[in-house]
Amino acid sequence: EIVLTQSPGTLSLSPGERATLSCRASQSVGSNYLAWYQQKPGQAPRLLIYGASDRATGIPDRFSGSGSGTDFTLTITRLEPEDFAVYYCQHYDGSPLAFGGGTKVEIK
Amino acid sequence: EVHLLESGGGLVQPGGSLRLSCAASGFTFDDYAMTWVRQAPGRGLEWVSSIYSSSTRTFYEDSVKGRFTISRDNSKNMVYLQMNSLRAEDTAIYYCAKGLWYFDYWGQGILVTVSS
Repeated sequence: EIVLTQSPGTLSLSPGERATLSCRASQSVGSNYLAWYQQKPGQAPRLLIYGASDRATGIPDRFSGSGSGTDFTLTITRLEPEDFAVYYCQHYDGSPLAFGGGTKVEIK
Repeated sequence: EVHLLESGGGLVQPGGSLRLSCAASGFTFDDYAMTWVRQAPGRGLEWVSSIYSSSTRTFYEDSVKGRFTISRDNSKNMVYLQMNSLRAEDTAIYYCAKGLWYFDYWGQGILVTVSS
């Protein structure tokens, strides 16, 4: 089974800065079957990216996903105040599905 | 507008049972697989179980196999999670989500607490 490791655990940045979040898989994720979610306190997760790089409906273009194989990246080009949250990657290359442990993006 | 609403959570003793329900609206329910994902307090997300649109296949995370059963009623636009032999480590917010592989809509979640 595929295990996902996210880094860093916490990212301290200021609004307007660029955020780069990493998700590394224990083995290659086939067909780039990787998604990213955003979760704010007390809320359900929100799908941002699927297929490693396709933005979900209504997601601003400051969010982008890239990568393949075992290394994937979520980039937020210019952080807006509403972007401070926890971000999770998730693979869907077969069962069991798995999420990474999350990266918290906090205000510096 | 897609809407998913969970119900049935609460406090249960170890070894007890609960049945979670999820009412879906705003999309053609019987076209989509459905999934349960949980989140223990202060922890990350964990996939629990999924079911095909036609109920022909179900999938479970190893720690819940044999204890949890996912089902659906397409005539009522409902998906269920029957949870038996509950353990303290099952304490979590349980989310109902639309999809089989990745999840574009989520419910607000329902808290299940397993404690004596």
